[in-house]
Amino acid sequence: EVQLVESGGALVQPGGSLRLSCAASGFNFNVYSMNWVRQTPRGLEWVSYITSDTRTIYYADSVKGRFTISRDNDKNSLYLQMNSLRDGDTAVYHCARGFQWAFDYWGQGILVTVSS
Amino acid sequence: QSALTQPPSASGSPGQAVTISCTGTSSDVGNYNRVSWYQQHPGKAPNLLIYEVTKRPSGVPDRFSGSKSGNTASLTVSGLQAEDEADYYCTSYAGGSNWAVFGGGTKLTVL
Repeated sequence: EVQLVESGGALVQPGGSLRLSCAASGFNFNVYSMNWVRQTPRGLEWVSYITSDTRTIYYADSVKGRFTISRDNDKNSLYLQMNSLRDGDTAVYHCARGFQWAFDYWGQGILVTVSS
Repeated sequence: QSALTQPPSASGSPGQAVTISCTGTSSDVGNYNRVSWYQQHPGKAPNLLIYEVTKRPSGVPDRFSGSKSGNTASLTVSGLQAEDEADYYCTSYAGGSNWAVFGGGTKLTVL
């Protein structure tokens, strides 16, 4: 069974940093692209994408220059380093497996709250 | 990149069919057959229903179908059931590093 479990969410002050992790199991992690997608009451927003070999990485304009996606295929783990956090980054962050320009499995998500 | 446009709400009675639209531009929906649809129940993670406009992953009932015309994609739910009551989101590839742009979501109510 495919499982994606996020961790690392917290309450952080504006300007602060946080690192999210996503532990993958039940599939061959090192052949799939992965994504981070965040959700607020306004809806879903794609955040970042990384290929299986890490050669291609994309970011949404809203996080470019502040967030860094990475992965460790030996540990079946995906990461999101978030710096210079803003109020608008408050959201539930999901990791999602890439499939044919879609997201076929999602984690339950982890809450990140940016507030003073 | 602007979000795709979905109606905020839709409704239908059990057994009926409902169609949810997703309007983009010639830079995203109109230019690529890379539209996908997701169902999300409260407190749950989104679930992939349709990918590449019309394709269903294994396990998704054939009551769910997708289509596209020009810059607008559509999701049709036939034979509405109570468990179809949920939020539905569309997304499209938008070229280059714009990997995915989402619609604002549609809340489907089964009357």
